[in-house]
Amino acid sequence: TQLLEQSPQFLSIQEGENLTVYCNSSSVFSSLQWYRQEPGEGPVLLVTVVTGGEVKKLKRLTFQFGDARKDSSLHITAAQPGDTGLYLCAGHTNAGKSTFGDGTTLTVKP
Amino acid sequence: EAQVTQNPRYLITVTGKKLTVTCSQNMNHEYMSWYRQDPGLGLRQIYYSMNVEVTDKGDVPEGYKVSRKEKRNFPLILESPSPNQTSLYFCASSLSYASGSYEQYFGPGTRLTVT
Repeated sequence: TQLLEQSPQFLSIQEGENLTVYCNSSSVFSSLQWYRQEPGEGPVLLVTVVTGGEVKKLKRLTFQFGDARKDSSLHITAAQPGDTGLYLCAGHTNAGKSTFGDGTTLTVKP
Repeated sequence: EAQVTQNPRYLITVTGKKLTVTCSQNMNHEYMSWYRQDPGLGLRQIYYSMNVEVTDKGDVPEGYKVSRKEKRNFPLILESPSPNQTSLYFCASSLSYASGSYEQYFGPGTRLTVT
């Protein structure tokens, strides 16, 4: 079983602060996704990274895939209360298996 | 509207009573998958299907069955539910294996309680 270790598990910050969430594995993935989940709903895709070293930006969110395609990070600049939620990383192999991290619960206080 | 639908959304049942949770997608996706989500354990893959008539076990397949007779439907079957299968279940679909990106679209979830 491939494992994805996500950290931190919980994060509580003030509006305007920056933060980084990490997703690490000893396995190589063909692609990695970041999702955000609201209570009572299914995860919603934020971004997919495929190439080692790839960096993608989505407004105030920056996603990076490690050179060896084993790890990834999500950086949020100037966090806002609307960013509050559960953030999940997910790695996939070409064989179709998916592995999710345990998630990071982010709370941004006004 | 492109979507993944699951039914029922909520279900309370008793140990041993067979049940089926349906999943349907209208996006002509080849790949479909079932997950369960438990507090502190994240999302764990139960079964997945690369295409019609092709299914494979995920990390936690024990106690579950699936079938993929049509592209749009991927039902999850619990032949003899037990209390440890109480969980929040999600169905997801993705465009194709060939695309290699596995960007999954999730259904709204089914909250199952087995007493």
